[in-house]
Amino acid sequence: EVQLLESGGGSGQPGGSLRLSCAASGFTFNTYAMIWVRQAPGRGLEWVSSIDSSGAYTYYADSVKGRFTISRDNFKTTLYLQMNSLRADDTAVYFCARLGRSSNSDHWGQGTLVTVS
Amino acid sequence: QPVLTQSSSASASLGSSVKLTCTLSSGRSTSIIAWHQQQPGKAPRYLMNLESSGNYNKGSGVSDRFSGSSSGADRYLTISNLQSEDEADYYCETWDTNTRLFGGGTKLTVL
Repeated sequence: EVQLLESGGGSGQPGGSLRLSCAASGFTFNTYAMIWVRQAPGRGLEWVSSIDSSGAYTYYADSVKGRFTISRDNFKTTLYLQMNSLRADDTAVYFCARLGRSSNSDHWGQGTLVTVS
Repeated sequence: QPVLTQSSSASASLGSSVKLTCTLSSGRSTSIIAWHQQQPGKAPRYLMNLESSGNYNKGSGVSDRFSGSSSGADRYLTISNLQSEDEADYYCETWDTNTRLFGGGTKLTVL
């Protein structure tokens, strides 16, 4: 069974940093691309960042480019999101998701809440 | 930059059917999309991916009551025999090499 478990959320100050983790199990992690998606309170889903299976290629939404860094450790089967220069509008639940063979998100984690104030 | 348009809300009666729409921006009518369901207070759940041909592939364990279809730039999610647990937000998703986009979501109310 595919499982994705986020951690690392919490409260952060404007201008501060947080690092989110997403522990993956139940599939061959190093053969799948992964993404981070966030959802601000009462709002819809917003793609944040993507990373290919090897970690060589990364992509970012304009809203986080230059502030957030996505990475992965295929030995630890863990996905990361380093969040720097936090802003109030980064407040959201952050989900990690696996990208399936057709490139759509096909499994989601339960999410971790980040509050910036 | 692709755009996905969804109605903000929909409603239908228990036991009836409902058809939700996701419209791709011009020039994107051949794109594959995915549909996701998000029940209140829960994480999103993948339902299916849907091609411009109308072919769709559902995720593991997704009920037979969920089906997909396509017409031009429109991608549809049909839910038949509506149940109370179908009350949720439904999002469509599309992507290209460098970006990924979600529609604004449709809040489905089961009356």
